[in-house]
Amino acid sequence: EDKVVQSPLSLVVHEGDTVTLNCSYEVTNFRSLLWYKQEKKAPTFLFMLTSSGIEKKSGRLSSILDKKELFSILNITATQTGDSAIYLCAVEEGAQKLVFGQGTRLTINP
Amino acid sequence: DTEVTQTPKHLVMGMTNKKSLKCEQHMGHRAMYWYKQKAKKPPELMFVYSYEKLSINESVPSRFSPECPNSSLLNLHLHALQPEDSALYLCASSQMSRGLSTDTQYFGPGTRLTVL
Repeated sequence: EDKVVQSPLSLVVHEGDTVTLNCSYEVTNFRSLLWYKQEKKAPTFLFMLTSSGIEKKSGRLSSILDKKELFSILNITATQTGDSAIYLCAVEEGAQKLVFGQGTRLTINP
Repeated sequence: DTEVTQTPKHLVMGMTNKKSLKCEQHMGHRAMYWYKQKAKKPPELMFVYSYEKLSINESVPSRFSPECPNSSLLNLHLHALQPEDSALYLCASSQMSRGLSTDTQYFGPGTRLTVL
């Protein structure tokens, strides 16, 4: 059975800290791995990763994929209270099927 | 523009009601999706439409009936729902160009459904 596992499930840090969120996966027909940020409603797209070892960056966020070890990490540096959200990892398994992890609930305290 | 819109934002219905959820995108995307998300859980795929044809139905009960009237619109018709169907219903769309090996899905804000 395909699965995507995120850790930790919950994380509380202080503003300014750096955090690393983890996502490991086992799927039979891997196409890509995506990271989303979900605050109140819609998951908003952060990154799509298809190749190992190539870091994607957007401001204070960055992510990298290891297709040999079947995991990805999402880093957030100099965290701000606005980074508080649930971070979802999803793997595109075959055409159009996204398998989501349980999410990491990140809380940034001032 | 990566906007997917959904209406209504909130819906409360009784178990005997018939209602519909609507989703719209104007990005020229040819794949559209319905997901169900329960509290503190990740989204779960329900249906996928590709080029206005139903391509994936994840064994969803028949009280949920999807419809894709054209490439920009996706509806979810609801009838005889149960209280356990209360959830956030998310619509998403993706480009799905032929030859693309990967396809990013963009989500709408969701409809929060409560079944009494």
